[in-house]
Amino acid sequence: DAGVIQSPRHEVTEMGQEVTLRCKPISGHNSLFWYRQTMMRGLELLIYFNNNVPIDDSGMPEDRFSAKMPNASFSTLKIQPSEPRDSAVYFCASSLNRERSYEQYFGPGTRLTVT
Amino acid sequence: GQSLEQPSEVTAVEGAIVQINCTYQTSGFYGLSWYQQHDGGAPTFLSYNGLDGLEETGRFSSFLSRSDSYGYLLLQELQMKDSASYFCAVIGGGYQKVTFGTGTKLQVIP
Repeated sequence: DAGVIQSPRHEVTEMGQEVTLRCKPISGHNSLFWYRQTMMRGLELLIYFNNNVPIDDSGMPEDRFSAKMPNASFSTLKIQPSEPRDSAVYFCASSLNRERSYEQYFGPGTRLTVT
Repeated sequence: GQSLEQPSEVTAVEGAIVQINCTYQTSGFYGLSWYQQHDGGAPTFLSYNGLDGLEETGRFSSFLSRSDSYGYLLLQELQMKDSASYFCAVIGGGYQKVTFGTGTKLQVIP
């Protein structure tokens, strides 16, 4: 079985540009999570979808960040405009359902560098 | 809100046993998970404690005491490949939200 798939794996962009990160969760998983990891702030939950509906976006830093999940097999995280402080590794994870949120399967991550 | 505390670094000898502690504060506590992350890799799920007591999975065990808001991960027969960061994660608050600790970097030395 394929795990969580993320693309791109690496992204280098200039400040002010729009960045879109993509995620395909494990088939049959109903909960999807977007995280950001940096040395300074650790692993931060940005947003949490359950059955394609965002149920907790309290971790989204500001209006420059937005996330969508148009169907059960695809989600995007968009940053517009990007800033150097957004440089981080962004992980997408999925779990079978909300009750099994303790057992998450992570994708390989997207390493974002904003210059 | 939710907060967790775990040591930042631990060093142990190959073949030995190491314990990584985690204390937490949260409302609406459901349970405590542990994840492993190698440098450059993604976190991988190790274990979950929803009830007090010890859960064993091979060389790894995890313990939870709800009354003490405390848990630990025990790694036995350490191998060099166990060198990684280990995160505790509390499941609590609304919607079974998961909050990760800052991680403990384990270095296994020969």
